[in-house]
Amino acid sequence: DSGVTQTPKHLITATGQRVTLRCSPRSGDLSVYWYQQSLDQGLQFLIQYYNGEERAKGNILERFSAQQFPDLHSELNLSSLELGDSALYFCASSVTSGSSYEQYFGPGTRLTVT
Amino acid sequence: TQLLEQSPQFLSIQEGENLTVYCNSSSVFSSLQWYRQEPGEGPVLLVTVVTGGEVKKLKRLTFQFGDARKDSSLHITAAQPGDTGLYLCAGVVRGAQKLVFGQGTRLTINP
Repeated sequence: DSGVTQTPKHLITATGQRVTLRCSPRSGDLSVYWYQQSLDQGLQFLIQYYNGEERAKGNILERFSAQQFPDLHSELNLSSLELGDSALYFCASSVTSGSSYEQYFGPGTRLTVT
Repeated sequence: TQLLEQSPQFLSIQEGENLTVYCNSSSVFSSLQWYRQEPGEGPVLLVTVVTGGEVKKLKRLTFQFGDARKDSSLHITAAQPGDTGLYLCAGVVRGAQKLVFGQGTRLTINP
């Protein structure tokens, strides 16, 4: 157990819909990262928040957005969903001190768009 | 273009054999990490290497960071079915503030 929680575990929705994925970081971690992993592919970095502020952006579509709240939990919002958005979405957290950036991953949310 | 290239992408061997997985880049990294991911689960951090030439051992797994801090290897001795999974290397590019992942090596150990 990494200490990072993600809800829901599974999500099935239709094209055109909007969903929200939730992540709670490990206690004490200020950074939250979101990744997308499609079938048989590596991790694609989407976005990072640090203590409530956006820190870095990766390959995140304009239809996707995220935020980190004062209690440090984060939400990833996916809108106008397409079939190609079906993937595993992981949240990770880190203390972000020093140069190691060791990340601890949650169990993921499996999104299926039909 | 992948910043971190892992090879091989797929590897299937018999229990008891040894294997090495490579992670290469043209960039210099401040640190490099190895993760293992099992199907349907999140990646789990195995090790972080920071110093060029550094070698770390975790039971039957040996991790090495290249002298120039541009590459790394993971060697598994006497592989077991429990070693099956997706192995990901990830590095912090010197001067940057984000972690970049390789595409992974999918390892299968057959009993």
